[in-house]
Amino acid sequence: DVKVTQSSRYLVKRTGEKVFLECVQDMDHENMFWYRQDPGLGLRLIYFSYDVKMKEKGDIPEGYSVSREKKERFSLILESASTNQTSMYLCASTLDGQFYGYTFGSGTRLTVV
Amino acid sequence: AQSVTQPDIHITVSEGASLELRCNYSYGATPYLFWYVQSPGQGLQLLLKYFSGDTLVQGIKGFEAEFKRSQSSFNLRKPSVHWSDAAEYFCAVGSGGYNKLIFGAGTRLAVHP
Repeated sequence: DVKVTQSSRYLVKRTGEKVFLECVQDMDHENMFWYRQDPGLGLRLIYFSYDVKMKEKGDIPEGYSVSREKKERFSLILESASTNQTSMYLCASTLDGQFYGYTFGSGTRLTVV
Repeated sequence: AQSVTQPDIHITVSEGASLELRCNYSYGATPYLFWYVQSPGQGLQLLLKYFSGDTLVQGIKGFEAEFKRSQSSFNLRKPSVHWSDAAEYFCAVGSGGYNKLIFGAGTRLAVHP
């Protein structure tokens, strides 16, 4: 089975800090995604990547950036964390989203204080 | 534009009762449809998917879903709910570009003993 690993389950960071959320997948998937999940708002797409060094903005990219230097790793960066970025962050990967769906990581619950 | 609507935000059922979670989609062509489940504090797990063929799809954990093109629906069903089914359920549709999925806002299921 494909495994998607998010490096931290829980993080607490201070306002203004630069925060890195890491995601690694082990099945050579081209496509990787970062979502944030908030109560009542469902999953909102932040950024996605369809190849190494390629990235596309999702629906809510403001305040975030991403990095994909290697195929298996997709990093989400909060340049200057703010309290409104407190959320659950989910990473996903897929070979072909329409045919296979996504494989998700377990999520990182980030609290910014 | 593609969209997914899950009309029920919360549903409560008794253990052993039957379950139906509703999902309506908007998509011009033949849709690729998915149901995911998220246990508390976890990532999303794929329950089942539909992209062609038999309109009744069997999934894991005893779930099934029926695709009804005339109603633009893909409702999830289970004949007898177990307490461990308490979770949040997400319906998704393939968006046709960059392998993206469009997710509904989710339905939270509570199971009473």
